[in-house]
Amino acid sequence: DTGVSQDPRHKITKRGQNVTFRCDPISEHNRLYWYRQTLGQGPEFLTYFQNEAQLEKSRLLSDRFSAERPKGSFSTLEIQRTEQGDSAMYLCASSSAGSETQYFGPGTRLLVL
Amino acid sequence: GQQVMQIPQYQHVQEGEDFTTYCNSSTTLSNIQWYKQRPGGHPVFLIQLVKSGEVKKQKRLTFQFGEAKKNSSLHITATQTTDVGTYFCAGPGNTNAGKSTFGDGTTLTVKP
Repeated sequence: DTGVSQDPRHKITKRGQNVTFRCDPISEHNRLYWYRQTLGQGPEFLTYFQNEAQLEKSRLLSDRFSAERPKGSFSTLEIQRTEQGDSAMYLCASSSAGSETQYFGPGTRLLVL
Repeated sequence: GQQVMQIPQYQHVQEGEDFTTYCNSSTTLSNIQWYKQRPGGHPVFLIQLVKSGEVKKQKRLTFQFGEAKKNSSLHITATQTTDVGTYFCAGPGNTNAGKSTFGDGTTLTVKP
């Protein structure tokens, strides 16, 4: 399967702990996006990479959130000192240059207790 | 900033009935995309509309982009149980980065 993959699919953590999620985009896609989705809402943009460069970050994203894409392939999203309000589905998507079509991964569902 | 609003939030139909969801933007859109998310799944791209007044069809699904490029609709003819899910419209972000601003979706349930 050459689609977008995410790991882990589910994560339960205690408040205050750090968590890290991984996204592997479609191999030829140079754009990678992170979104957050809560129940009853559409995906909310978090950040965007073109190759290894992080070009945009939502102002809604607190300093506890950081994302990397060191080699322009996979990406990681880290949340430090998690809070209960961070509980959500974290979606990764990728697209090729010049295309608006985004292909989403299955998501990582985070529950902060 | 750009906002994309969808109505209705929920729609319950009997199998075989038609269904329409509407998407409205506060600003003119260069394009609009539609996605479908099945229960427990992730958004899956359906279509992109670019031209003013554009109409595209995919089997029983008809997508329209308004003349002013500020609204769009998705119409499903003769719904089936496989149509169940949440339908999102998405406009491009404020930059040319390709990121999308999603509406909150219309959740369709179909009673057999």
